[in-house]
Amino acid sequence: GENVEQHPSTLSVQEGDSAVIKCTYSDSASNYFPWYKQELGKRPQLIIDIRSNVGEKKDQRIAVTLNKTAKHFSLHITETQPEDSAVYFCAAVRAGGTSYGKLTFGQGTILTVHP
Amino acid sequence: NAGVTQTPKFQVLKTGQSMTLQCAQDMNHEYMSWYRQDPGMGLRLIHYSVGAGITDQGEVPNGYNVSRSTTEDFPLRLLSAAPSQTSVYFCASKGSTDTQYFGPGTRLTVL
Repeated sequence: GENVEQHPSTLSVQEGDSAVIKCTYSDSASNYFPWYKQELGKRPQLIIDIRSNVGEKKDQRIAVTLNKTAKHFSLHITETQPEDSAVYFCAAVRAGGTSYGKLTFGQGTILTVHP
Repeated sequence: NAGVTQTPKFQVLKTGQSMTLQCAQDMNHEYMSWYRQDPGMGLRLIHYSVGAGITDQGEVPNGYNVSRSTTEDFPLRLLSAAPSQTSVYFCASKGSTDTQYFGPGTRLTVL
């Protein structure tokens, strides 16, 4: 089955700096890669996603890049703010077919943005 | 439109007790799933369902049962609780798009 590795496990930055979180996946058939943000005691919430036919996607201060050949994808947050502090999870899935919706998550990254 | 709801929010059990975690969604989503979240391990899939009457195992199914008699509801049953099942449990649902929506979670402690 799919295996997703996420690094770093913790990331501390100053407000205004950029933050980068990286994930690698093992199943070359995975074609959908969402990123979730989870605040303390809350549910995971989708912040951005990318499909395998796209190399990069951007939404205001966040962006995701995908390298299918190397089987890795990254989350980039620019101009970080204290409210970006949370746990971030990457995930991978082979959308469609028998793996329908079966997300495999990375271990999570605790991002702390210091004012 | 309440989205995905879960009850209870918190539960404490003794080893060997049984209980059912409830999950419901009002978005008419066919796909529903249960994950558990443990520190340092992300979320792991327990069971999932692609529609009423159809369920299948995920990555960590042992000790859990599910059924799906309606589109809206997907309860998770712990038959004989063990301390290793202490975790936060999230239910999720998905419609025709790839986006999965998570419920607020149930924090379970097994003593």
